[in-house]
Amino acid sequence: KAGVTQTPRYLIKTRGQQVTLSCSPISGHRSVSWYQQTPGQGLQFLFEYFSETQRNKGNFPGRFSGRQFSNSRSEMNVSTLELGDSALYLCASSLAVADYTDTQYFGPGTRLTVL
Amino acid sequence: GQQLNQSPQSMFIQEGEDVSMNCTSSSIFNTWLWYKQDPGEGPVLLIALYKAGELTSNGRLTAQFGITRKDSFLNISASIPSDVGIYFCAGTESTDKLIFGTGTRLQVFP
Repeated sequence: KAGVTQTPRYLIKTRGQQVTLSCSPISGHRSVSWYQQTPGQGLQFLFEYFSETQRNKGNFPGRFSGRQFSNSRSEMNVSTLELGDSALYLCASSLAVADYTDTQYFGPGTRLTVL
Repeated sequence: GQQLNQSPQSMFIQEGEDVSMNCTSSSIFNTWLWYKQDPGEGPVLLIALYKAGELTSNGRLTAQFGITRKDSFLNISASIPSDVGIYFCAGTESTDKLIFGTGTRLQVFP
């Protein structure tokens, strides 16, 4: 079974631009979560989508948004990029069948650099 | 953001030695997970724990879900060079939101 895939793997943008990242979950997985990883803050939860609805949200500004499609694929968007948005953005998927006991499997991440 | 307390922060050991790292929380967790991350890659799940007191092994790796539900440890026996990487604990409270530890960087010398 193919794992979680994320595109693109690397991205360079300038301040003020916007960016869209894509995540395809493991086949059959219905939940997709997004995380930001930086050296200073570690791994921080952004949001989680299940059945095309945002189910959980972390403490990030409104510039960070996401959506999920009917095939469970998810996109994350960051508008008005700031230098501090440079990070590895990770997507994780899970079956989401049981109540909050599903294991999350991570993709390889998208490395975003903001200049 | 919230993070779990993970220790030690880094370890430098000789090949063949055993390794132990742990994670603590101020609140009760429903699940504990241990991941390993290689540079430029996403975390890879090593062991998942779902019940207090649960002890689970995966090859040379053993992890336990603390009885108080506020801690977990990971042991690696007879370390080898490919064990090098950053190990993260992670847990969930009442939602699917994963809270991560600060990571333990492991370096293995031949």
